[in-house]
Amino acid sequence: DGGITQSPKYLFRKEGQNVTLSCEQNLNHDAMYWYRQDPGQGLRLIYYSQIVNDFQKGDIAEGYSVSREKKESFPLTVTSAQKNPTAFYLCASSITGRAEAFFGQGTRLTVV
Amino acid sequence: AQSVSQHNHHVILSEAASLELGCNYSYGGTVNLFWYVQYPGQHLQLLLKYFSGDPLVKGIKGFEAEFIKSKFSFNLRKPSVQWSDTAEYFCAVNAGSSGGYNKLIFGAGTRLAVHP
Repeated sequence: DGGITQSPKYLFRKEGQNVTLSCEQNLNHDAMYWYRQDPGQGLRLIYYSQIVNDFQKGDIAEGYSVSREKKESFPLTVTSAQKNPTAFYLCASSITGRAEAFFGQGTRLTVV
Repeated sequence: AQSVSQHNHHVILSEAASLELGCNYSYGGTVNLFWYVQYPGQHLQLLLKYFSGDPLVKGIKGFEAEFIKSKFSFNLRKPSVQWSDTAEYFCAVNAGSSGGYNKLIFGAGTRLAVHP
């Protein structure tokens, strides 16, 4: 089945630790996105990438980092610099930067 | 800066009532417009999209949306809602940004509750 896989579904980390969220797609999509979803704030764009080895900051990139070494993969690292990391993180991909996006099931990160 | 505004954060309707959810965006150039739906416990799904052509677009499950360029709006409508339409609805805009990149920006969402 083609789709977007985010792992793990739930993640717990201690404050001060970096954590990496996985996102893999087998849809052969060029563009990939990371969003953060908080109640009442919708989806806010963290980083996006339209091609391998290139990515751009979104609206709330501070405290996050990404890489795009392969077309299929777009991992997100939540660093200790992120002041409020507890959230639901969604990864998405689209054929091109202008097409509709397809979403993964999300990772709920809790930092204690 | 580009932004998407959804006017209603919570909407409560009875079954068979009509629905209209507002969406306005701020971007003067060419845009692609989307409505996504997130049913409880499920991932985001595309409801409908507008790229060009007829400004009245029809989506899945009887939903439709109208693009009014002069008002920068893309409101979602359904003539008669069902209990199964209970979900959160997100409007999204894909527009060009600096450097030739395209950003997909979402509104804050509207939580719809339909009572039997």
